[in-house]
Amino acid sequence: EAQVTQNPRYLITVTGKKLTVTCSQNMNHEYMSWYRQDPGLGLRQIYYSMNVEVTDKGDVPEGYKVSRKEKRNFPLILESPSPNQTSLYFCASRKSDRGDGELFFGEGSRLTVL
Amino acid sequence: GDSVTQMEGPVTLSEEAFLTINCTYTATGYPSLFWYVQYPGEGLQLLLKATKADDKGSNKGFEATYRKETTSFHLEKGSVQVSDSAVYFCALSPTGGNYQLIWGAGTKLIIKP
Repeated sequence: EAQVTQNPRYLITVTGKKLTVTCSQNMNHEYMSWYRQDPGLGLRQIYYSMNVEVTDKGDVPEGYKVSRKEKRNFPLILESPSPNQTSLYFCASRKSDRGDGELFFGEGSRLTVL
Repeated sequence: GDSVTQMEGPVTLSEEAFLTINCTYTATGYPSLFWYVQYPGEGLQLLLKATKADDKGSNKGFEATYRKETTSFHLEKGSVQVSDSAVYFCALSPTGGNYQLIWGAGTKLIIKP
């Protein structure tokens, strides 16, 4: 089954404790992206990757890091989480870097930083 | 810059009612336009799209027409069901550039039986 898989789905952590949210897709997609969703703010892009070893900042990259060492994986790293990073995070992938293609989303990772 | 504006929610309707969720955009050229839907507890999924003016996207009884003259892409459905309760996002992909989607804020739809 074609899918984007995120882990963990739920996480409660404390300020400053490094964490990684993994994202993996099995569709051989070139493009991958991370979003955060907050009430009243819709979806905001954190980072994206057009291909392996190519990453770029989105609209809200501060406090996050990413890497794209393999085509299928695109982990999101919070080096020192803070309470304002409490949010619902989504990973998404698309076959090509063209904007008219369909984005496939994971089920989301709800992160709470105390 | 490019932007997408959606009607604020929540929108509450009775089952079998007619649905319209308004979406207007600001963009140069001819962007591609999308509606994504997020069911409770799930990720977003593409509902429909249109890539050029006057195109009509349709899926699951939903329709939206790309209106260049009014810069709109309103979502419509003739008879909604309880299972249509979800958050609906309008988005555009600008012409040229780096193809990053620009999202509306989302509209929550609640259908009562």
